[in-house]
Amino acid sequence: GDSVTQMEGPVTLSEEAFLTINCTYTATGYPSLFWYVQYPGEGLQLLLKATKADDKGSNKGFEATYRKETTSFHLEKGSVQVSDSAVYFCALNGGSSASKIIFGSGTRLSIRP
Amino acid sequence: NAGVTQTPKFQVLKTGQSMTLQCAQDMNHEYMSWYRQDPGMGLRLIHYSVGAGITDQGEVPNGYNVSRSTTEDFPLRLLSAAPSQTSVYFCASSYRDEGVHEQYFGPGTRLTVT
Repeated sequence: GDSVTQMEGPVTLSEEAFLTINCTYTATGYPSLFWYVQYPGEGLQLLLKATKADDKGSNKGFEATYRKETTSFHLEKGSVQVSDSAVYFCALNGGSSASKIIFGSGTRLSIRP
Repeated sequence: NAGVTQTPKFQVLKTGQSMTLQCAQDMNHEYMSWYRQDPGMGLRLIHYSVGAGITDQGEVPNGYNVSRSTTEDFPLRLLSAAPSQTSVYFCASSYRDEGVHEQYFGPGTRLTVT
């Protein structure tokens, strides 16, 4: 079945560092891909999405490009802030999971001032 | 719009007790889902619904029941609570826009079973 694999955390960076969180997926057909963010004590919020190959999703300085050839959707940000500390989830919808969203296990990000 | 609301925020149960976690949305979304979140395991789908009167099992349905009598409400019932059901539970609703689901999550219910 469809699945999402993302890098293990926790990831700890200094403020203004460059961030990459890796995400790869397995799916039949052409899924849509998402990054969700969960701040402490809250539910998940959609951060960005991409619906077809080579699309780039972006929001709040974060970017991710849908790479069909490598089945990847890596999250990047050029200069992280303390307020970016959260858990980040990669997810997909579509393929054999048209009515469901499949989530990765999450990556905890901590930013040091 | 209130979005997706969940009650209660916190709950402690004894083993064997039953209870219902409430979830409601006011966005007229057809799809609703229940997830549990455990440390290191991300979100696991318990049950989902693609419309009023229609429900289906997710990845970890055992010990839970759902029903969807209205578009707005999607309660999750724990039939006989077990310590393994200690978790944070999230309800979500979504709509399909050009084939893409965009999910909206509630704030979660933290459940402890002793």
